[in-house]
Amino acid sequence: GAVVSQHPSRVICKSGTSVKIECRSLDFQATTMFWYRQFPKQSLMLMATSNEGSKATYEQGVEKDKFLINHASLTLSTLTVTSAHPEDSSFYICSVTAGRYEQYFGPGTRLTVT
Amino acid sequence: GESVGLHLPTLSVQEGDNSIINCAYSNSASDYFIWYKQESGKGPQFIIDIRSNMDKRQGQRVTVLLNKTVKHLSLQIAATQPGDSAVYFCAENRETSGSRLTFGEGTQLTVNP
Repeated sequence: GAVVSQHPSRVICKSGTSVKIECRSLDFQATTMFWYRQFPKQSLMLMATSNEGSKATYEQGVEKDKFLINHASLTLSTLTVTSAHPEDSSFYICSVTAGRYEQYFGPGTRLTVT
Repeated sequence: GESVGLHLPTLSVQEGDNSIINCAYSNSASDYFIWYKQESGKGPQFIIDIRSNMDKRQGQRVTVLLNKTVKHLSLQIAATQPGDSAVYFCAENRETSGSRLTFGEGTQLTVNP
């Protein structure tokens, strides 16, 4: 069965609004989760590392004030895209890790900003 | 930033043939490698992994080869089936990065019946 869930699977929002995406670890408690973004025909790009109980660590070039990450519990991390614009339209994928050699990916969330 | 107009490399094979998908990695410090399969609209699915102390590892219908000298990784799929059609990504990891993965560009595999 699924180890990681994401909600919603698809979302359409208007430019200027904010959207929250949830990532849940279903089978184990995860102190670390990752958020990726994937544009069409491209690879996954790591956006940030979500750490339970502390601030997220963002990759170079990712605006922390635009992509707010909250990892409030060991099974839930949220990514909020603030003031979304059409260029933020993408496939957002989270992963949870049970250790260096175990990483499980969520089913992804398709964000379309109109 | 993202590359505009980037196209995934493609590989087209006949059902029943063997497929070989290649990946070049950049960081010589990477010591753990994973192959993922991604179907359209879904998240990546683990296929097989290999650590740098090995040069070959076999799974069910899949084999991963690692050549550290030239920083090259390959995925071989035996008796390719239509259900194998997907995008395949290699990912690399090094111990100092914890669990952070760096993904390769991906290859679109199409299996023709």
